[in-house]
Amino acid sequence: DGGITQSPKYLFRKEGQNVTLSCEQNLNHDAMYWYRQDPGQGLRLIYYSQIVNDFQKGDIAEGYSVSREKKESFPLTVTSAQKNPTAFYLCASSVRINTEAFFGQGTRLTVV
Amino acid sequence: DAKTTQPNSMESNEEEPVHLPCNHSTISGTDYIHWYRQLPSQGPEYVIHGLTSNVNNRMASLAIAEDRKSSTLILHRATLRDAAVYYCILRSNNDMRFGAGTRLTVKP
Repeated sequence: DGGITQSPKYLFRKEGQNVTLSCEQNLNHDAMYWYRQDPGQGLRLIYYSQIVNDFQKGDIAEGYSVSREKKESFPLTVTSAQKNPTAFYLCASSVRINTEAFFGQGTRLTVV
Repeated sequence: DAKTTQPNSMESNEEEPVHLPCNHSTISGTDYIHWYRQLPSQGPEYVIHGLTSNVNNRMASLAIAEDRKSSTLILHRATLRDAAVYYCILRSNNDMRFGAGTRLTVKP
């Protein structure tokens, strides 16, 4: 089935370690997005990519990095520079602004 | 800054219609109006979108004001499964930014 997959669903890391969250889609979508969601809050845009080998910072990019080497993959690295990384991370993809966006089921990252 | 304004929360009774408002007074001519909803601990789910004309699909209806500065998502008969946070967003380029949304509670 076509869709967007985030893995793992739950992730635990020690403070000071970098961690990479996976996002894969087989929908042939050009645009992909990463969001962070804190409890009781809305989604905040971290990075987005409109095409392979290109990406732009969102509103809260500090402490995060991304790559877009393949159309179907958009991994997010949470670096040790991110001061409060514990959150729910969501990935999305879409074709164009006048079509629906699809979201993954999210990765809940806990840093201890 | 979020470009849309929604009430923080709304309540509805089961099997009654629900009208969720969204203000977007600074909307541009190329902005599409999208609605998504999010259940707890899940990713958002697409509901509906439109540009100028009202839209209907199997989930909901979208009523867009003539000046496009506001819109209303209409759930024709709310069910308990419709309890979620509903987000109204504008899309005119390939970034996609969300506000805080409206938390809809459906009472049996």
